[in-house]
Amino acid sequence: DAGVIQSPRHEVTEMGQEVTLRCKPISGHDYLFWYRQTMMRGLELLIYFNNNVPIDDSGMPEDRFSAKMPNASFSTLKIQPSEPRDSAVYFCASSRILNTGELFFGEGSRLTVL
Amino acid sequence: GENVEQHPSTLSVQEGDSAVIKCTYSDSASNYFPWYKQELGKRPQLIIDIRSNVGEKKDQRIAVTLNKTAKHFSLHITETQPEDSAVYFCAASAFGNEKLTFGTGTRLTIIP
Repeated sequence: DAGVIQSPRHEVTEMGQEVTLRCKPISGHDYLFWYRQTMMRGLELLIYFNNNVPIDDSGMPEDRFSAKMPNASFSTLKIQPSEPRDSAVYFCASSRILNTGELFFGEGSRLTVL
Repeated sequence: GENVEQHPSTLSVQEGDSAVIKCTYSDSASNYFPWYKQELGKRPQLIIDIRSNVGEKKDQRIAVTLNKTAKHFSLHITETQPEDSAVYFCAASAFGNEKLTFGTGTRLTIIP
């Protein structure tokens, strides 16, 4: 397996624009997580899915953020409208059933909002 | 919810010396404690984990210790090498709870 695949790797956009980040989890993994990483706040869990169903979105900063998982092999994180404070690295991660515990992270999407 | 504190935030050690990173957690129900390593510009990767039924686990030059009474756990790296330079994150979760709570990270620099 190629691992968790994220796109784009880098995104530079202007304030107010819509940003869509994409993730393909490892095949067979039932859980998908979206994290945001900043210097100030470290790794923050935004939302996670189990079998394509959102389980906990309490980490989503505000209504400008939304995430979907239309099928087992694809998820999106959307920011609309984007703001400079959204600049961060966004990681997608997946894991199998709970027993293994290990999260497999993608390479991350570095977002810069000007 | 769980709160994980990690210290120090930065650590520099001479190559060959040992490095210790410490974490405390707040939720007494937590029983799974992984450590992730993130090299510069790369993804975090699991390097070792421990469950609450053991007090120590070793894997070559790295070891993790857990004190459930005091609610703290530590990462020990012996005979440090330049490739150990990275940011290390501790995390905690209660088994059956999918949410891992991460510490804020420790930037470890190995001085040649």
